[in-house]
Amino acid sequence: DAGVIQSPRHEVTEMGQEVTLRCKPISGHDYLFWYRQTMMRGLELLIYFNNNVPIDDSGMPEDRFSAKMPNASFSTLKIQPSEPRDSAVYFCASSYRLPSGYTFGSGTRLTVV
Amino acid sequence: AQSVTQLGSHVSVSEGALVLLRCNYSSSVPPYLFWYVQYPNQGLQLLLKYTTGATLVKGINGFEAEFKKSETSFHLTKPSAHMSDAAEYFCAVSGQGGSEKLVFGKGTKLTVNP
Repeated sequence: DAGVIQSPRHEVTEMGQEVTLRCKPISGHDYLFWYRQTMMRGLELLIYFNNNVPIDDSGMPEDRFSAKMPNASFSTLKIQPSEPRDSAVYFCASSYRLPSGYTFGSGTRLTVV
Repeated sequence: AQSVTQLGSHVSVSEGALVLLRCNYSSSVPPYLFWYVQYPNQGLQLLLKYTTGATLVKGINGFEAEFKKSETSFHLTKPSAHMSDAAEYFCAVSGQGGSEKLVFGKGTKLTVNP
């Protein structure tokens, strides 16, 4: 298995632009998670899905952020409009039901200038 | 709600010395506990986990951790540090039978000196 695949690896965009981050989970995993990592706040859970349905989006910082999972093999995290404070590394992870643990992707480093 | 505290954001050891990374948790239900490692510019990799049963768990790369319920701790150890162990380490907790969310600590950056 290729693991959790995220794209792009790096994204540099101007403030106000729309940004879309993509994730392909491991086949057969029925949970998908989006995390954001910054020096100041560490790892923050933004949202997670079970069988493509959003279960908990309480970590989504504001309405500028949205996430979808149209099928079991694809998810997107969209920021519109982007702001410099959104600069971070965004991780996608997938899992079977706990306690199996998560498998993380390599992350997308987002820089908003 | 669960929470995790990792004592020491930076730990420095000499090559061959004992590695001890501290993790304390709070949970209102029996916890699942995890340690992850993150190398520069990579995602997090699972090192080891405690679910139920034996309280001393062994993971990859010679690491182990012991679940101590009375101390609400899950410290990570390795008898002899190697240069390749230099990375950031994250402790995480989740409650059994509840949410699938893992709550992560702030991380401890391990430096190994030659």
